[in-house]
Amino acid sequence: DQQVKQNSPSLSVQEGRISILNCDYTNSMFDYFLWYKKYPAEGPTFLISISSIKDKNEDGRFTVFLNKSAKHLSLHIVPSQPGDSAVYFCAASDSGTYKYIFGTGTRLKVLA
Amino acid sequence: ETGVTQSPTHLIKTRGQQVTLRCSSQSGHNTVSWYQQALGQGPQFIFQYYREEENGRGNFPPRFSGLQFPNYSSELNVNALELDDSALYLCASSLEGRGGTEAFFGQGTRLTVV
Repeated sequence: DQQVKQNSPSLSVQEGRISILNCDYTNSMFDYFLWYKKYPAEGPTFLISISSIKDKNEDGRFTVFLNKSAKHLSLHIVPSQPGDSAVYFCAASDSGTYKYIFGTGTRLKVLA
Repeated sequence: ETGVTQSPTHLIKTRGQQVTLRCSSQSGHNTVSWYQQALGQGPQFIFQYYREEENGRGNFPPRFSGLQFPNYSSELNVNALELDDSALYLCASSLEGRGGTEAFFGQGTRLTVV
């Protein structure tokens, strides 16, 4: 039972354009969501998070949007840079527990 | 401030053997979680240790066990290794043993079981 889904395994975007990565979840108890970026041979790097009391959180070029009614979140990267090429994972947890549930990842390729 | 470090980075073991993986948590963090990432998948939660006690466990058999030490470093032990245990094992540290806080990951240990 995949509680967190990233339905796009890969995405290619031109440098300077917007990258939009999507994530859906099924568990209505989730109230905290995170995005991680992973380069080959490295561990995941924390990017940005959002609590369910918000619908948007912004940090520089990265913005996460949360639509609780649709159980959907998205990560926007503007403008996209070649160094953003990596695998992006979304993760979810509820504040009463201790574990993150990860999606299967989306491989982003930013073309120069 | 030091980040999360894991050792070894790569390991090859034979089916049936036992393995111990090590993790040093980020300075000031008292919680360590372990994840297994199989090829093409997202990380899967194995268990978490908070102040030296197991604080939650995922859907992994008892041959996966762990320890946390007073300095908050941690070990993951896997007994009776199976071929399907081949994966990247990730350690993550955070400040408190609950959801709602960011976890910071180490670079992982790539375990190959032959």
